[in-house]
Amino acid sequence: DSGVTQTPKHLITATGQRVTLRCSPRSGDLSVYWYQQSLDQGLQFLIQYYNGEERAKGNILERFSAQQFPDLHSELNLSSLELGDSALYFCASSPGSRYDEQFFGPGTRLTVL
Amino acid sequence: AQKVTQAQTEISVVEKEDVTLDCVYETRDTTYYLFWYKQPPSGELVFLIRRNSFDEQNEISGRYSWNFQKSTSSFNFTITASQVVDSAVYFCALSEAIQGAQKLVFGQGTRLTINP
Repeated sequence: DSGVTQTPKHLITATGQRVTLRCSPRSGDLSVYWYQQSLDQGLQFLIQYYNGEERAKGNILERFSAQQFPDLHSELNLSSLELGDSALYFCASSPGSRYDEQFFGPGTRLTVL
Repeated sequence: AQKVTQAQTEISVVEKEDVTLDCVYETRDTTYYLFWYKQPPSGELVFLIRRNSFDEQNEISGRYSWNFQKSTSSFNFTITASQVVDSAVYFCALSEAIQGAQKLVFGQGTRLTINP
């Protein structure tokens, strides 16, 4: 158990819908990262937050957004969902903002029908 | 841009054999970190090791060992006396520093199957 929690574990929804994925980092970690794992793209970095502020953006679509709250939990919002958004979404956390090992949550499997 | 290549898509060996997973990386940074993660069939990503670019000493942890060679930009992972529980997808990753932040760039993964 990495200490990172993600809810829900599974999510099935329809195209055009909006969903919110939630992540709680390990105790004491200030950074939260979101990654997407799909068969065709592999593991791709989406976005990083550090202590409530956005720090880095990767290949995140404009339909996706995230935030980190004062209690350091984070949410990833996915809207206008398409079939291609079906993937495993991981949250990871680390103590600092650079070079730390990132500990991953169990992931949320999103299926868009 | 940073890149990680794991040329072996799938490896299948018989239990107790030694197996090496290859990882080659590209970066222009002088300071960087390399990682290995394990993804068992249950799906979670398990951290195995972090190595910084200034430390080329080999690392051994039980049956696992890692060989970092800057000269060939490689960070290979060896499992000695493999066991069925080692069956998983293994990812090599490289940290990319971005304006005071970081992201991990992952290779495509190597699916390792250990047969009894």
